[in-house]
Amino acid sequence: TQLLEQSPQFLSIQEGENLTVYCNSSSVFSSLQWYRQEPGEGPVLLVTVVTGGEVKKLKRLTFQFGDARKDSSLHITAAQPGDTGLYLCAGGGSSASKIIFGSGTRLSIRP
Amino acid sequence: EAQVTQNPRYLITVTGKKLTVTCSQNMNHEYMSWYRQDPGLGLRQIYYSMNVEVTDKGDVPEGYKVSRKEKRNFPLILESPSPNQTSLYFCASSLWGTGNEKLFFGSGTQLSVL
Repeated sequence: TQLLEQSPQFLSIQEGENLTVYCNSSSVFSSLQWYRQEPGEGPVLLVTVVTGGEVKKLKRLTFQFGDARKDSSLHITAAQPGDTGLYLCAGGGSSASKIIFGSGTRLSIRP
Repeated sequence: EAQVTQNPRYLITVTGKKLTVTCSQNMNHEYMSWYRQDPGLGLRQIYYSMNVEVTDKGDVPEGYKVSRKEKRNFPLILESPSPNQTSLYFCASSLWGTGNEKLFFGSGTQLSVL
């Protein structure tokens, strides 16, 4: 069974600080996605990474896929209150349609 | 506007009373899926469908049924709800379901079974 573990589970930091969220597995994934979910809404896709070692940037957010395609990280520079939310990683497996979600990191940015 | 629409948003029911949560997408997506979200457990897949009349079990299918008679609709049926099915439910769709594409989610259905 493929599992994705996210850490930390909760993170509360001051506005302007940097942070990194991790998504780890013992399994290889064909792709890794990051979603952000706000209260009362469904998750919204931020990025998809498909190549081992791939780095993608979305404004102040930097996403990296591990060389072995078993892990990923999300780094936020100069966090802002608008970054508050639940961050979920999701892995695409070897079989089509089998998408595994991590348990999420709940991020709170204090003004 | 491209969207996945779930109804109802909130539902309170009693044990054993059959209910249906509807899901509809307007993007002509082949793939649709149902998830439940519980604190600390993330999103767990209940059922998914790769095309009309093609459905398969996800990780937590017990106590649920689905059907895909039309491409745009994918209702979730609880024949005899129990309190352990109290959860936040999401329907999602994507073009092919390969895992590399964007999943579009509905706004969720908060279900409470008393």
